[in-house]
This record gives sequence, C-alpha cells and structure tokens, in this order.
Amino acid sequence: GENVEQHPSTLSVQEGDSAVIKCTYSDSASNYFPWYKQELGKRPQLIIDIRSNVGEKKDQRIAVTLNKTAKHFSLHITETQPEDSAVYFCAAAGGGGSYIPTFGRGTSLIVHP
Amino acid sequence: SQTIHQWPATLVQPVGSPLSLECTVEGTSNPNLYWYRQAAGRGLQLLFYSVGIGQISSEVPQNLSASRPQDRQFILSSKKLLLSDSGFYLCAWSVSDRAHQPQHFGDGTRLSIL
Repeated sequence: GENVEQHPSTLSVQEGDSAVIKCTYSDSASNYFPWYKQELGKRPQLIIDIRSNVGEKKDQRIAVTLNKTAKHFSLHITETQPEDSAVYFCAAAGGGGSYIPTFGRGTSLIVHP
Repeated sequence: SQTIHQWPATLVQPVGSPLSLECTVEGTSNPNLYWYRQAAGRGLQLLFYSVGIGQISSEVPQNLSASRPQDRQFILSSKKLLLSDSGFYLCAWSVSDRAHQPQHFGDGTRLSIL
C-alpha cells in the first residue's frame, strides 16, 4: 500500500518568514495530493490540493509543488502569520484505484510574533 | 451546501462501559464515510470506512465497530471500552464515484476513558 513520509515533524519560524513542509510518497499511481490544516482542538480542514497532471498550484500565500518523478510534494507558506500556527497534514490518494487518502504524520508549525 | 454533524463533542467514560458516537451528513447523497482516531494530538488513524448502507470496511482490528444504518448516518460503537480507546475521534465524508475528492471532517469527539 501507499506510504507517506512527512518532514519536519516540528517547524518553528518567525512571523514574516517562509515555511516549507515536504512529503514523499511510495505509490507512483497516486494522483491526488491534498493538504489539511488542523488548529488546536479543531477539525482538519482542506487548505489546498493538487492533481498529478499539475506541477504547481497557488492560493494567495500558500502554494503546493509536485514532483512526480521524485514522488515528492511540498507545501510553501510565505509571509507567515501567527494564525498560521497549526498542525499540517499531507496526504496521497488514487494509488491502486483507491480513493482513500494515506496521511503523513503531521507537521506542527509554530509562528513566533 | 453540505454539512457534517458529529456528537457528542466530549465524552468521559469508565473502562468497560459501552460507546456510541454518531455522525450525520446533510446536503449530499451516497457519500463515502470514514471514522478516524487521533491520539496525542497528531496522526490520523483510519478506523472504518463505508461506501454505502450496510457496507463497512475495517482498517484496524480492535474492540470498536461501525455501522451505517442510513445513507448519511455513520455510527461508531464499542461494547467495552479500554483505556487505550481514549483519543479524538473524527468522522469524515467525501464524494463517491469521483476521483480527486477531498475529505470533509466533523468537529470531532474527544473521548476520555477513566
């Protein structure tokens, strides 16, 4: 089955800096890669997703890049703000015809004001 | 628009007691439904998923069970809770029969076993 590795487990940045979270996946057939943000005690919420036929996608301060050859994808957050502090999860789906995503273990992002 | 309701929000139960958590989805039909557990504030562990009424797939063998008595209702149960069952339980849904669909999570139930 699919295996998703996510790094780093904790990321601490100063407000205004950029943050990058990286994920690798094992199943080359995976074709859908969502990212979720989970604030403390809240539900995970989708913040951005990318399909395998696209190399990059942006939404304001957030961007995701995908390298299918290397089987890795990354979340980029620019001009970080304290409200960006949360746990971020990457996921991969579509491998083996399965719609069920395999999640990474999460990255705790701390943005210091 | 679609909404997902999950209750209760918090629950404190003694070891050995039964459990029933309920999740309902509105505004869509024939959704895929999921139960996840999140321990220690990190990591989403898939427990069960369902593609239709009465169709349940279990990902992790344990003392929990799930049922889908109606199209948009998903129930997580246990006959006898263990201390290790403590955690944050999340219900989620996604559109069925279409690729590249995200999951939408409920607000979760924080379960503490004493």
